[in-house]
Amino acid sequence: DAKTTQPPSMDCAEGRAANLPCNHSTISGNEYVYWYRQIHSQGPQYIIHGLKNNETNEMASLIITEDRKSSTLILPHATLRDTAVYYCIVRSVRLTFGEGTQLTVNP
Amino acid sequence: DTEVTQTPKHLVMGMTNKKSLKCEQHMGHRAMYWYKQKAKKPPELMFVYSYEKLSINESVPSRFSPECPNSSLLNLHLHALQPEDSALYLCASSQDGTGGADTQYFGPGTRLTVL
Repeated sequence: DAKTTQPPSMDCAEGRAANLPCNHSTISGNEYVYWYRQIHSQGPQYIIHGLKNNETNEMASLIITEDRKSSTLILPHATLRDTAVYYCIVRSVRLTFGEGTQLTVNP
Repeated sequence: DTEVTQTPKHLVMGMTNKKSLKCEQHMGHRAMYWYKQKAKKPPELMFVYSYEKLSINESVPSRFSPECPNSSLLNLHLHALQPEDSALYLCASSQDGTGGADTQYFGPGTRLTVL
């Protein structure tokens, strides 16, 4: 599985958009980009995934660059409950977690 | 419904005990997974079952013994564990384990403490 690089931590004001970047420059053509988040001591929660096109669901939007070497997860209106570790994962068969980004949403 | 349930939520055991962790899903998924997560670290894959057969064992010590009695149920049998095995044990399931767009859904985990 391709390696991903994420900033270790980010802050966001409540009600503002949170934009979480991820670099995956070694991604290959059949590998999907997945995003999960983990709130302290809970199981990881699936957020969204994509291959080439941008994706949106009720939780977030995923923007993948045309060369697929990076992506951005967008939480459009962050709330305090969105404070969590966010994992960007490029997967073929295995789901290999990196260190993720600790997002803190501040009042 | 994307619910994976795990029991117990918490488990404390001695190094000579034998215990089991249980995971269940009713989404019709045919792949199930065990992960181990140490404090302040990301989850690490331990085992993968696909269509009730063990397909991946990430060189896990034999004191951890997985079992998949049917497509809805996954057990992890524990025997002669060490204190360093204390961790959050996570179960996940997915449609068929083929990767790609096969999304994994996680349970809440079992917090294991080995004394």
